Amino acid sequence: GAGVSQSPSNKVTEKGKDVELRCDPISGHTALYWYRQRLGQGLEFLIYFQGNSAPDKSGLPSDRFSAERTGESVSTLTIQRTQQEDSAVYLCASSLWRLNTGELFFGEGSRLTVL
Amino acid sequence: DQQVKQNSPSLSVQEGRISILNCDYTNSMFDYFLWYKKYPAEGPTFLISISSIKDKNEDGRFTVFLNKSAKHLSLHIVPSQPGDSAVYFCAASDHTDKLIFGTGTRLQVFP
Repeated sequence: GAGVSQSPSNKVTEKGKDVELRCDPISGHTALYWYRQRLGQGLEFLIYFQGNSAPDKSGLPSDRFSAERTGESVSTLTIQRTQQEDSAVYLCASSLWRLNTGELFFGEGSRLTVL
Repeated sequence: DQQVKQNSPSLSVQEGRISILNCDYTNSMFDYFLWYKKYPAEGPTFLISISSIKDKNEDGRFTVFLNKSAKHLSLHIVPSQPGDSAVYFCAASDHTDKLIFGTGTRLQVFP
């Protein structure tokens, strides 16, 4: 595709339910990042992938969060047993290779609301 | 621990004047710094970057200055235009390819 695509764009769920957020990066981009932005706050790093491997998972807030990437393409961020503090916009970004040019292309985000 | 800090949540500037957005960092291992711009309901877009071996980088109306001893960088926009109104994020990276963002500064440019 032309850009980074994320789905769903909006998700409202009840506390305790599981949610899956999907990211389709730009074709050929080997690096993929997940960030989240809570209301009024900055972008919080969650995890990034080089190919299908995740060298750094240090940003995942708890063991309820997991992410995978397959085929060096699509990535899924899964949040189990959602809590109200998980409400945020989840942003996915991809880059061609290593972060040496600043060209991290972001999707429009998935807005998650946990009631 | 906020490694990248933008202490001004908002800034209002008249069209044609200079906008100066500031950013401070704490991690001395950071060697690459970037600014991103974000419009509502859109993802951030890359604006300009600077390597730690430089102290200035210019691209059209946008200039980024880096003061390594003070662990401070700033983005200058001159002249400011109404279309520059957005949230600006400072970001920093070390050799691990992880990009750490600040909390953002909302710039409003009024006529």
